[in-house]
Amino acid sequence: GAGVSQSPSNKVTEKGKDVELRCDPISGHTALYWYRQSLGQGLEFLIYFQGNSAPDKSGLPSDRFSAERTGGSVSTLTIQRTQQEDSAVYLCASSPGRTFSYEQYFGPGTRLTVT
Amino acid sequence: AQSVTQLGSHVSVSEGALVLLRCNYSSSVPPYLFWYVQYPNQGLQLLLKYTSAATLVKGINGFEAEFKKSETSFHLTKPSAHMSDAAEYFCAVSDGWNAGNMLTFGGGTRLMVKP
Repeated sequence: GAGVSQSPSNKVTEKGKDVELRCDPISGHTALYWYRQSLGQGLEFLIYFQGNSAPDKSGLPSDRFSAERTGGSVSTLTIQRTQQEDSAVYLCASSPGRTFSYEQYFGPGTRLTVT
Repeated sequence: AQSVTQLGSHVSVSEGALVLLRCNYSSSVPPYLFWYVQYPNQGLQLLLKYTSAATLVKGINGFEAEFKKSETSFHLTKPSAHMSDAAEYFCAVSDGWNAGNMLTFGGGTRLMVKP
């Protein structure tokens, strides 16, 4: 079946602009995760959704970052007033649920470059 | 807090040689452990996982890993390297309780396979 998809695959933006990154999880997966992969920080957790709610937002690096999930499916990660340090690959993952399975399936990522 | 340490950011082996990628973890609760592989410009693909069943876990592509609680290790091995194994490998831990099973990743090990 279809895996996790993310769009766009690449995004180049100017410093100070807002960007939206989209994640389409595997159908039926109730848990959705955002991670960031950067040269300096490695892979780091950003935020997690169970259904449409985000119980833990502590991984978001600043208040410029926000995320939402609608209909228990698609999620959008928004970065406002982008900075050069936001340049990274943003990975989305989904899982059948937080208790029934601990396996996360990853999308191909969105490479964000802030110039 | 959990942490994962991968010894060796780069490992080089000859084709046909044993692959050994090291992972040590720190967790205050019985851990769930994972190995993921990342090929260039792709997302993460699950190789194998340990979830408290058998301590020797077999995964895809001939890889296996052994959970050793006394050593807090979960090293990844493959008896005979193939050129197609060249990729970056990530060890990750989830305590199954925190933030809906968010993953904490090690720094990654880039495996190079020489002909």
